[in-house]
Amino acid sequence: GAVVSQHPSWVICKSGTSVKIECRSLDFQATTMFWYRQFPKQSLMLMATSNEGSKATYEQGVEKDKFLINHASLTLSTLTVTSAHPEDSSFYICSARETGVMNTEAFFGQGTRLTVV
Amino acid sequence: GENVEQHPSTLSVQEGDSAVIKCTYSDSASNYFPWYKQELGKGPQLIIDIRSNVGEKKDQRIAVTLNKTAKHFSLHITETQPEDSAVYFCAAKISGGSYIPTFGRGTSLIVHP
Repeated sequence: GAVVSQHPSWVICKSGTSVKIECRSLDFQATTMFWYRQFPKQSLMLMATSNEGSKATYEQGVEKDKFLINHASLTLSTLTVTSAHPEDSSFYICSARETGVMNTEAFFGQGTRLTVV
Repeated sequence: GENVEQHPSTLSVQEGDSAVIKCTYSDSASNYFPWYKQELGKGPQLIIDIRSNVGEKKDQRIAVTLNKTAKHFSLHITETQPEDSAVYFCAAKISGGSYIPTFGRGTSLIVHP
């Protein structure tokens, strides 16, 4: 199946710094990618939909200035957590859907564990 | 919007037993129902899915059933093995890439050797 890769798989940063997470579709082009956040023992919460060449669409309650999304190419979307605080510590997961293929669904990356200290 | 309920939240079985996880959904427009397995520290992986034009789908030890009238669908794992231990999520959505899935809260499956 299609492969979606996230980098890094885990990161520890100091409070107040910014962290960038990459989501790549390795063997297909993805016009649309999705960013999720998952707290321990909870379900996935959609944060935003990332569209190549245009602004991301954020879900209600998600601060767009806090979670910057850039989707500059058909195979790469990035999520930057700006001025991170301990409450931003979470598991961040992206998914990507192949462009132009009928009836195909999105595949998930392996996730990035962010710990803010 | 769509609302997906998933039960149980935790399921503990002995190796070799069967495991059943049940989900209900609210939006009759939903027509695609995937199931994901998430191992500790990893992203969800699609293990099986079903579309609303069929009532059952099987893939080796895993099967999914769908009752459109009652708006519920279930995951069945037979002959469970310790490596089946993980968190399983159901989801419901309208088929097509522009639609976002609504996930259940997850079921932690523990298979005891």
